[in-house]
Amino acid sequence: DTEVTQTPKHLVMGMTNKKSLKCEQHMGHRAMYWYKQKAKKPPELMFVYSYEKLSINESVPSRFSPECPNSSLLNLHLHALQPEDSALYLCASSQESRGLAGSEQFFGPGTRLTVL
Amino acid sequence: LAKTTQPISMDSYEGQEVNITCSHNNIATNDYITWYQQFPSQGPRFIIQGYKTKVTNEVASLFIPADRKSSTLSLPRVSLSDTAVYYCLVGDLSSGSARQLTFGSGTQLTVLP
Repeated sequence: DTEVTQTPKHLVMGMTNKKSLKCEQHMGHRAMYWYKQKAKKPPELMFVYSYEKLSINESVPSRFSPECPNSSLLNLHLHALQPEDSALYLCASSQESRGLAGSEQFFGPGTRLTVL
Repeated sequence: LAKTTQPISMDSYEGQEVNITCSHNNIATNDYITWYQQFPSQGPRFIIQGYKTKVTNEVASLFIPADRKSSTLSLPRVSLSDTAVYYCLVGDLSSGSARQLTFGSGTQLTVLP
């Protein structure tokens, strides 16, 4: 199984809602990532988990809260988002055989988030 | 910070070889160079990765000069299905900062019949 799955595929939420994005991989990868991608822009790294521990949080607003319940699952909890947070949220995983940056990342299809 | 620069767009015809160059003047010793392909509304897909010299796999070749300040992705005999955005990724996360792992702006490759 070389697939990263993400649910839901689409999400529409109001600014007062609380929702969660889910990501799952069964490749035995020990690094998992959340990216945000706006239209016609490259993916921007938000969080990195390595061996189920948050290793990188790049100045992401606290309305985004990541969670790694186990080595196969990665969640992104959303609360009080703004319309400018509307984007494609991508999850990825890697084996970390060459360190985080040197390892091939496997991306999921993404969740298209719209904040009204 | 190994910032990368790529051409915004390129056009090609079916059957031609396409070369996309990425500049990364500040590449660090620990950095690998990785290329990804992305179709609309999909996640990026790994194409190839290298550290120095030349790397070849079943879909592409990657040429890296000795100074490693640039790299060239070579796609042989492109087809219409190769129309996509191609990203160069250079970085090292050992410092603990996500700013050290940055996708290039991407090159929109359009293959024409």
